[in-house]
Amino acid sequence: GAVVSQHPSRVICKSGTSVKIECRSLDFQATTMFWYRQFPKQSLMLMATSNEGSKATYEQGVEKDKFLINHASLTLSTLTVTSAHPEDSSFYICSATIPKKGSFSYEQYFGPGTRLTVT
Amino acid sequence: GQNIDQPTEMTATEGAIVQINCTYQTSGFNGLFWYQQHAGEAPTFLSYNVLDGLEEKGRFSSFLSRSKGYSYLLLKELQMKDSASYLCAVMDSNYQLIWGAGTKLIIKP
Repeated sequence: GAVVSQHPSRVICKSGTSVKIECRSLDFQATTMFWYRQFPKQSLMLMATSNEGSKATYEQGVEKDKFLINHASLTLSTLTVTSAHPEDSSFYICSATIPKKGSFSYEQYFGPGTRLTVT
Repeated sequence: GQNIDQPTEMTATEGAIVQINCTYQTSGFNGLFWYQQHAGEAPTFLSYNVLDGLEEKGRFSSFLSRSKGYSYLLLKELQMKDSASYLCAVMDSNYQLIWGAGTKLIIKP
């Protein structure tokens, strides 16, 4: 099956610093990637949809100036948490869909996630 | 509003069968997904239903009734490694995934 990687898997940073999380599709080209956040014991919350070569579409309530998304190539999307605060501590997960000609591909492949702790 | 309901937690015995239900109310429907998520890990895809009926895949089966807004995930021959959260998600008319809160399944020996 398709493989999506994320780096780093865990990061601890100090309040006020910025953190960049990378999401890569290893064996396919992903025109669309999704960024999710998950707080403990809660379901996934979609933060933004990232399309290669264009600006990301953010969900309501997600600050686009705080969570910078760059989908620079068909295999890489990055999420930068700027001026991180303790309340940004969460599990961040990316996913990608495989484009299929003539139809929608509904299956999402998830990266392993990045656990961010802001102290 | 859009809503997906599934039980918060279920307990079952190793070797037994368990059914996890999911009901949904969404603006449009373009399919229902089941994902498995172990603690601290990302979700992994289990099944996708867009037509009514039962889809079987090994020990796991998923059922959909669009008229009732209802789905279930059936797990047979339960193993300890099946202890995880099971997430139900519906793709709405805008092709956005609406997620349920997940059902934590506890398997006892």
